[in-house]
Amino acid sequence: GAGVSQSPSNKVTEKGKDVELRCDPISGHTALYWYRQSLGQGLEFLIYFQGNSAPDKSGLPSDRFSAERTGGSVSTLTIQRTQQEDSAVYLCASSPPGTRELFFGEGSRLTVL
Amino acid sequence: AQKVTQAQTEISVVEKEDVTLDCVYETRDTTYYLFWYKQPPSGELVFLIRRNSFDEQNEISGRYSWNFQKSTSSFNFTITASQVVDSAVHFCALTSSSGGSYIPTFGRGTSLIVHP
Repeated sequence: GAGVSQSPSNKVTEKGKDVELRCDPISGHTALYWYRQSLGQGLEFLIYFQGNSAPDKSGLPSDRFSAERTGGSVSTLTIQRTQQEDSAVYLCASSPPGTRELFFGEGSRLTVL
Repeated sequence: AQKVTQAQTEISVVEKEDVTLDCVYETRDTTYYLFWYKQPPSGELVFLIRRNSFDEQNEISGRYSWNFQKSTSSFNFTITASQVVDSAVHFCALTSSSGGSYIPTFGRGTSLIVHP
């Protein structure tokens, strides 16, 4: 389909391992967001990309978290040395230019054992 | 700083009842945007509506209506004649252009359960 695509949909890893989560936004959408949703919690902002501008990383919880967006399209969120508190659903969203509404992917559920 | 408060954690109704979901927001910006999103059990958040701060006209769309009041910083969402398919977590969100970044702040969500 033409929606936001995220992979993997589920990831189980051991504490201390690195993980990469991928987001493929809707074609033509210039803004891309990563949020984290823990069980029973709201959406926690992580990072925001807008076109070719420097990303807003103000929501990243620690230096173990990083993200990049290549060619203004696909984005990868990397979590190094995962901890159990990193377990959550990681949501990616994109937004077309000139609007403010977000289109979300189905999320990547991360479980750290 | 922006803040969105959804005081109702969970609402349980019987089908065909009307239900209102409350949202109160805080922002120092004079231009901002308010949203409602819906997250059904399948998990994917879906955009429902956007209102601009300079447009207080309320809106009705089928069984859904939205009441935006700047005087009370509220943006409430009403479902008329609720249906089981309305069962979902509903999120209110706020975006302003603070610092040039349009980063939505979400409330914690209200879980709506509609019983048959």
